[in-house]
Amino acid sequence: QVQLQESGPGLVKPSETLSLTCTVSGGPLSSYYWTWIRQPPGKGLEWIGNIYYTGTTNYNPSLKSRVTISADRSKDQLSLKLNSVTAADTAVYYCARVGYGTDKSYYFYMDVWGKGTTVTVSS
Amino acid sequence: EIVMSQSPGTLSVSPGDRVTLSCRASQTINNNLAWFQQKPGQAPRLLIYNGSTRATGVPARFSGSGSGAEFTLTISSLQSDDFAVYYCQQYNSPWTFGQGTKVEIK
Repeated sequence: QVQLQESGPGLVKPSETLSLTCTVSGGPLSSYYWTWIRQPPGKGLEWIGNIYYTGTTNYNPSLKSRVTISADRSKDQLSLKLNSVTAADTAVYYCARVGYGTDKSYYFYMDVWGKGTTVTVSS
Repeated sequence: EIVMSQSPGTLSVSPGDRVTLSCRASQTINNNLAWFQQKPGQAPRLLIYNGSTRATGVPARFSGSGSGAEFTLTISSLQSDDFAVYYCQQYNSPWTFGQGTKVEIK
């Protein structure tokens, strides 16, 4: 059974870089997309970006200038880096596995999620 | 960017009720839509993908329908475990979520 675990600093200073790791256990990175999602306190969900296991990425245009997602297949880990953070980046950050298939077109589904990690941006 | 709008914002219901949640996209998204359930302090849980396909382990009382830009999540007989916030999400890049519908006890 695949499990995901996010980890990283819970407190980041404004203007610095937020760095998180997602460790995947119980299954390889291969053959899936992987994604990062965040949720500010008391608010809804925001998609940050995806990475295919081969390394191809796709980012939310609203964050694209500040975000980097990478994958280390040898460690079965994903990473998220978000630079120049502000208080607006305070959120619970989730990683999730993305399955996909084809019907009349491609479809995707985020079927396995980590429990999330809380990151606060504050001096 | 495709904007997803959910209605109502809050739904007050009783166990055993039939519940219908709506999700509207700002443009057609074919069936590229998923529904998630989120309880306080927990990660979202996938319920429905590709518009109407139930995820593994999801009870049959949950069903998804719709196409184009109008979608519905139906819970045929609400159980006590179903009180939560429900989000719809579309998969045309950039992926976007609705603002959520809270299903609360009446």
